Amino acid sequence: QQQVKQSPQSLIVQKGGIPIINCAYENTAFDYFPWYQQFPGKGPALLIAIRPDVSEKKEGRFTISFNKSAKQFSLHIMDSQPGDSATYFCAASNEIYNQGGKLIFGQGTELSVKP
Amino acid sequence: EAQVTQNPRYLITVTGKKLTVTCSQNMNHEYMSWYRQDPGLGLRQIYYSMNVEVTDKGDVPEGYKVSRKEKRNFPLILESPSPNQTSLYFCASSLGGYNYRYTFGSGTRLTVV
Repeated sequence: QQQVKQSPQSLIVQKGGIPIINCAYENTAFDYFPWYQQFPGKGPALLIAIRPDVSEKKEGRFTISFNKSAKQFSLHIMDSQPGDSATYFCAASNEIYNQGGKLIFGQGTELSVKP
Repeated sequence: EAQVTQNPRYLITVTGKKLTVTCSQNMNHEYMSWYRQDPGLGLRQIYYSMNVEVTDKGDVPEGYKVSRKEKRNFPLILESPSPNQTSLYFCASSLGGYNYRYTFGSGTRLTVV
């Protein structure tokens, strides 16, 4: 079963818009929530990550919002640019238990930012 | 340059013909993992390894084998490939510990006919 559910599957925004990608999880033992960015023909690369003890984390134009009670987290991209066009994956792990082993990904969101 | 190297990048094979996809990392990482990427399903973990000779199943291990005889190498073996194993495969490695970051290879596009 898919333990991390991601939506939407695809997203088109105009340059300067704020795309929002949402993820929901079931397992309350998850304690590490990274986002990965993948460009065509490349492997995914870590973009930003958050732990459930904070509600928001910002790195440059990328912000993660985290709602522990709802078991949901989302990625916001401020002032989006055509260069942000990529596939974005949320993920989750029980890091204390796994210490770097098992990382579960969502289904991915294909983002297109139009000039 | 720190990287994860997968070979081959593209492979077309026939049903039942054993194949191996190689993966090597030069970062002295403890953890290595294999994922397959399929449209609408995202990245699903096949196997992962916490150290030499220590491996564990991910979410979709059926039809695959792995080995970790050396720290830097983590080959993926398909003993008898079937068309439903047609996919994009990624190898990844991580230092492990808290706040770990997986470094991914560039992928292997496998087609089984």
